[in-house]
Amino acid sequence: GESVGLHLPTLSVQEGDNSIINCAYSNSASDYFIWYKQESGKGPQFIIDIRSNMDKRQGQRVTVLLNKTVKHLSLQIAATQPGDSAVYFCAEGPYNTDKLIFGTGTRLQVFP
Amino acid sequence: DAMVIQNPRYQVTQFGKPVTLSCSQTLNHNVMYWYQQKSSQAPKLLFHYYDKDFNNEADTPDNFQSRRPNTSFCFLDIRSPGLGDAAMYLCATSRVRESEQYFGPGTRLTVT
Repeated sequence: GESVGLHLPTLSVQEGDNSIINCAYSNSASDYFIWYKQESGKGPQFIIDIRSNMDKRQGQRVTVLLNKTVKHLSLQIAATQPGDSAVYFCAEGPYNTDKLIFGTGTRLQVFP
Repeated sequence: DAMVIQNPRYQVTQFGKPVTLSCSQTLNHNVMYWYQQKSSQAPKLLFHYYDKDFNNEADTPDNFQSRRPNTSFCFLDIRSPGLGDAAMYLCATSRVRESEQYFGPGTRLTVT
C-alpha cells in the first residue's frame, strides 16, 4: 500500500477569524511564488501568486506577503470559512524554468 | 468545463502489472507535467514535456515512462508497479515560462 505520510503542520482556527499560513522557500533565484489549496481527493487549486518584484498582493479574502530578505512567504485568509479547510501548499518558480518547487504543506482546519 | 482531465480517477492494478494513466487538456498549453503525490506530502515532479521535448527528473525511477502523442494528451506508464508506487498521480499544464500550473483532479492508484 501507500507509504505512511508525514504529519503535516496543522493550523486550527475558528470560523470568522483570520488565518496566516507561513512558508519558507529555498532558492534565492526564484522569481515567482504561488499558493495552492488542495482539498481531500482533489488536485491543487490556484489561490494567488506573486512575483519577486512585489512584496504584497491581495485577492478576494486572501493576501500573499513576500519577504525576500529572509526567504519567507505567507498567505493570509480573512474571515476564514469552513470551506477554507484544506491543505495549503506554497510553491516557488526558479527563474527561467517551467518547474515549480513545492513546500511541505499546511493543513488548515476551521471549526465553528 | 474541465480544463485538465485525468482518467481514470481511481485505478487498481496488481503488483508488477503494467498500468497507464491518461491526461488530456483543453487549454492548448505547451507544457505538461506528471507529479506523484503520497499521503500528506507535497507533489513530487516526475517529468514534464515542453511541447514534445521530454524532461525527466534525475530521481524518477526508470519504471516510470511517459508519452505525449500530441498537444492535448499525455500518458504515464508504470511498467512494473510496486507497492511503493501507490499514490495520487497528478497531471498539470502551463504556458511556456508562465509558472502557474493548472492541475487535473488526479488519479488515485492502488497496487494490490
